Amino acid sequence: AQTVTQSQPEMSVQEAETVTLSCTYDTSESDYYLFWYKQPPSRQMILVIRQEAYKQQNATENRFSVNFQKAAKSFSLKISDSQLGDAAMYFCAYRRQKLIQGAQKLVFGQGTRLTINP
Amino acid sequence: DAGVTQSPTHLIKTRGQQVTLRCSPISGHKSVSWYQQVLGQGPQFIFQYYEKEERGRGNFPDRFSARQFPNYSSELNVNALLLGDSALYLCASSSTLYNEQFFGPGTRLTVL
Repeated sequence: AQTVTQSQPEMSVQEAETVTLSCTYDTSESDYYLFWYKQPPSRQMILVIRQEAYKQQNATENRFSVNFQKAAKSFSLKISDSQLGDAAMYFCAYRRQKLIQGAQKLVFGQGTRLTINP
Repeated sequence: DAGVTQSPTHLIKTRGQQVTLRCSPISGHKSVSWYQQVLGQGPQFIFQYYEKEERGRGNFPDRFSARQFPNYSSELNVNALLLGDSALYLCASSSTLYNEQFFGPGTRLTVL
């Protein structure tokens, strides 16, 4: 079974600084997707960035970028120029490209709580 | 366009009761998935429905059931509630089984 591990329960960063959140995963599949979701206190899960495993180029979305190391099964999120609005729980998630018994299932890590210090 | 909506926002029940949670997907989306998020943990997959058929089920007891209606909205039912069922229940919709899932704001269920 696929598993996702986030080893940092909490992280903090000064406003305008850069922070990196770590994620490792375990899978025997070669084709899959990886995601970072943000969950603010409002509880709504918001997609931050996604990476297709077949793409060697790391995904970027404005201030958010990833470091995808397929061989090491590592998928870290870098937030540049941190803003107060970035404060939230961040979840790393995995999905097989192929359906699991006909279903599209996201497997989430335990989350990292990010605090932004003004 | 409206996003995924869920009702109610909060719910308090006692052990042994039954509860029904509702989800309306984004217009045009045919797939709805349910996740349980216990406090301090990541969401866990419960069910996925597509075109009104169950397409997948997570490792949850038979007390959990769901259905999808012709308008693609969905209900999650939990019978014989236990204290451990207290959680945030998230609904996500996608246009197909392969496309990105968009999440609703969740229903916070407290079992006393």
